[in-house]
Amino acid sequence: QSALTQPRSVSGSPGHSVTISCTRPTTDVGSFDYVSWFQQHPGKVPKLMIYDVSKRPSGVPDRFSGSKTGNTASLTISGLQAEDEGSYYCCSYAGGFTFVFGTGTKLTVL
Amino acid sequence: EEQLVESGGGLVQPGGSLRLSCSASGFTFSVYGMHWVRQAPGKGLEVAASISPNSDITDYLDSVRGRFTISRDNSKNTVYLQMSSLRVEDTAVYFCVTGSAYYYASWGQGTLVTVSS
Repeated sequence: QSALTQPRSVSGSPGHSVTISCTRPTTDVGSFDYVSWFQQHPGKVPKLMIYDVSKRPSGVPDRFSGSKTGNTASLTISGLQAEDEGSYYCCSYAGGFTFVFGTGTKLTVL
Repeated sequence: EEQLVESGGGLVQPGGSLRLSCSASGFTFSVYGMHWVRQAPGKGLEVAASISPNSDITDYLDSVRGRFTISRDNSKNTVYLQMSSLRVEDTAVYFCVTGSAYYYASWGQGTLVTVSS
């Protein structure tokens, strides 16, 4: 499985919204129904923000939302806050107990 | 509360070997797939190795296949990663990870492996 493609960086001002895309190679077959998103701050353990494309774990603010269209999944963060700054990774279930990550996106809050 | 604690990281010379261990608690270890996810300094996340609950399925990152072996002991709630013929590019923090069938829900704190002469 090839890595999922994400933009290298995105930025937004406090209070505004940003969307991070996650695209799987067109040559990949099988389900793309199980996409999750992780937030990671420098030196920290990744934190699950979205699973199963659009579900939020308990404790994750509803400012974070996920969606998917075709081969592209998206994470939208609305009402940006300074603490949202960090790196974001998508992750897709690839079958048979295997997963593949996206290339990662650095979010800068201006 | 689910808890994963890695151990075994350290400094090793190129060509050397190292075995990582991950001790699990707070959940029924024997029914979950287990994974080693690594992150090189300043780089992204990649799944180095995965193993099914009863060890019948294993999977490896292409660059480590043939050099790394993942295994588990369900009686000890522990998963291992035996790493041999280590290369400089294997330098990374190695996270022990588990979760549901379709997403990673629990991560350990990670253990740093440094391959350098």
